[in-house]
Amino acid sequence: GIQVEQSPPDLILQEGANSTLRCNFSDSVNNLQWFHQNPWGQLINLFYIPSGTKQNGRLSATTVATERYSLLYISSSQTTDSGVYFCAVAGNTDKLIFGTGTRLQVFP
Amino acid sequence: DTGVSQDPRHKITKRGQNVTFRCDPISEHNRLYWYRQTLGQGPEFLTYFQNEAQLEKSRLLSDRFSAERPKGSFSTLEIQRTEQGDSAMYLCASSPGPPNNEQFFGPGTRLTVL
Repeated sequence: GIQVEQSPPDLILQEGANSTLRCNFSDSVNNLQWFHQNPWGQLINLFYIPSGTKQNGRLSATTVATERYSLLYISSSQTTDSGVYFCAVAGNTDKLIFGTGTRLQVFP
Repeated sequence: DTGVSQDPRHKITKRGQNVTFRCDPISEHNRLYWYRQTLGQGPEFLTYFQNEAQLEKSRLLSDRFSAERPKGSFSTLEIQRTEQGDSAMYLCASSPGPPNNEQFFGPGTRLTVL
């Protein structure tokens, strides 16, 4: 099956800093999503981005499908950005395969 | 649009008991998915439905687990004879179906087996 690797595993930032999270996947995909999991366990949709570039406020994402990676950019980080960020992909079937996540802590 | 809902949010049970969880997808979403997440890991796929048809089941879904979506709307996930290893967060998601496969998740049901 498809393998998904996320880096870095942990990230500690001061408020206002920028960061880049990376997701590598081992095969072609039909779906790629980025999620933020809050402390209560809720997965919040950030981007549905099997290819191309999207922006939403301080967050943006780029997926280069031919090179099998995706990047999530967080600019001017805030304490509310803290949590775990997951990348998930789906190949020929609809099931999402998740990476192990990047745990982000933003301090004031 | 009210989002995906799950009930109960928390369940504590004793080993050997049966439990049932419910998921209500976003209305008009044809596809419904179940995932399981253990501490420190990403969610793992269990099974999914297209309307009332169960299209795929993971090897993680042992014969103690059964899922149904009888009328193509809400779904139930039952675990029989629970074991301590079943303790996890059970997540439900829904999507409109092709060509839009974006999945939206519910808040989850946290199961603790004593």
